[in-house]
Amino acid sequence: AQKITQTQPGMFVQEKEAVTLDCTYDTSDPSYGLFWYKQPSSGEMIFLIYQGSYDQQNATEGRYSLNFQKARKSANLVISASQLGDSAMYFCALTTSGNTGKLIFGQGTTLQVKP
Amino acid sequence: EPEVTQTPSHQVTQMGQEVILRCVPISNHLYFYWYRQILGQKVEFLVSFYNNEISEKSEIFDDQFSVERPDGSNFTLKIRSTKLEDSAMYFCASRRASYGTDTQYFGPGTRLTVL
Repeated sequence: AQKITQTQPGMFVQEKEAVTLDCTYDTSDPSYGLFWYKQPSSGEMIFLIYQGSYDQQNATEGRYSLNFQKARKSANLVISASQLGDSAMYFCALTTSGNTGKLIFGQGTTLQVKP
Repeated sequence: EPEVTQTPSHQVTQMGQEVILRCVPISNHLYFYWYRQILGQKVEFLVSFYNNEISEKSEIFDDQFSVERPDGSNFTLKIRSTKLEDSAMYFCASRRASYGTDTQYFGPGTRLTVL
């Protein structure tokens, strides 16, 4: 069975500091991908970053980076230099080559950035 | 930048009524999805659609639900007889390929309220 686990329901971070949001996954498919999405209070789902299981390097997109540890089945999102606009819900999601491209989401982590 | 659009943004309906939620995926995308998010909960997969047919559906997607691509641009989700528990945010998503680095782009969502 495929599963995504986000164990931090809520996180606080001081503005300009870095924060790590945890995500662990479970799949028996050797070929898979991991996504992170941001959901602000307005409700839309904003794509942040993608990591493929065969990617040699950790993904980075601006202030977002992914700490991918394949042996531990973890794909933690690191946000550097937090901004007030980063306050939102963050979802980790899994897709595998054996399915139709559907995403399996974790429960999400609410991040609040303090001024 | 191309985007997925959804209408209406908010739909209020009476229990037992039929609703149709509309989506316009990104034009060169081939794979289409519907997800739902009950308030405060995680995003759940409903159905995937490719080549004018359902490729996968979840256990949530029972006989009350149907999807259609009536023309070359629209992708609709119909709920035949709404229940109170159908109240949720419904997201449409699309991607160019079913796997790989192609991002799955989400629409802004339709908030369905069943009274």
